[in-house]
Amino acid sequence: DTGVSQDPRHKITKRGQNVTFRCDPISEHNRLYWYRQTLGQGPEFLTYFQNEAQLEKSRLLSDRFSAERPKGSFSTLEIQRTEQGDSAMYLCASSQGLAGVGDTQYFGPGTRLTVL
Amino acid sequence: AQSVAQPEDQVNVAEGNPLTVKCTYSVSGNPYLFWYVQYPNRGLQFLLKYITGDNLVKGSYGFEAEFNKSQTSFHLKKPSALVSDSALYFCAVRDSVSGGYQKVTFGTGTKLQVIP
Repeated sequence: DTGVSQDPRHKITKRGQNVTFRCDPISEHNRLYWYRQTLGQGPEFLTYFQNEAQLEKSRLLSDRFSAERPKGSFSTLEIQRTEQGDSAMYLCASSQGLAGVGDTQYFGPGTRLTVL
Repeated sequence: AQSVAQPEDQVNVAEGNPLTVKCTYSVSGNPYLFWYVQYPNRGLQFLLKYITGDNLVKGSYGFEAEFNKSQTSFHLKKPSALVSDSALYFCAVRDSVSGGYQKVTFGTGTKLQVIP
């Protein structure tokens, strides 16, 4: 399967712990996105990479959140000192296309985080 | 600012009947419009998109959508619903004048229930 993959699929942690999620995009895609989805809502944008450069961060992304894409391939999203409000599905997507054109984002299966 | 609205939280339709899931949008420039489907505990799957050209867009699994600029709508349709179409459907929009970053805004989703 050559789709977007995410690991782990589920994570249960205690409040105050740090967690890290990984996303492997479709191999030829240069853009990578992180979203957060809570129950009954659509995905909310968190951050965006073009190759290894992080070009945009949402105000939703507090200083406890950090994302990297060191070699322009896989990406990690780390949440430090987790809070119960961080419980959500974290989705990764990737795309490839011409700048300024509505290229399609392809999503991974998500990582469901539960903070106890 | 760009926005998208899905006015129905849930749509019920009998198997074999035509279905419509509604979406309206607001952008400053020209819209790039997308429909995605989400099954329980899964990521989003791309169905179709409108960039330019023919107002009727055909996508995966027999779905199609009609772009109506005057009504700022992009309703999802299927001539004959299947029970397996039961899922959560998201409309999304990107404004062509949003600059270098390709932020996509998602609606809150419409739950489609196809009744056997």
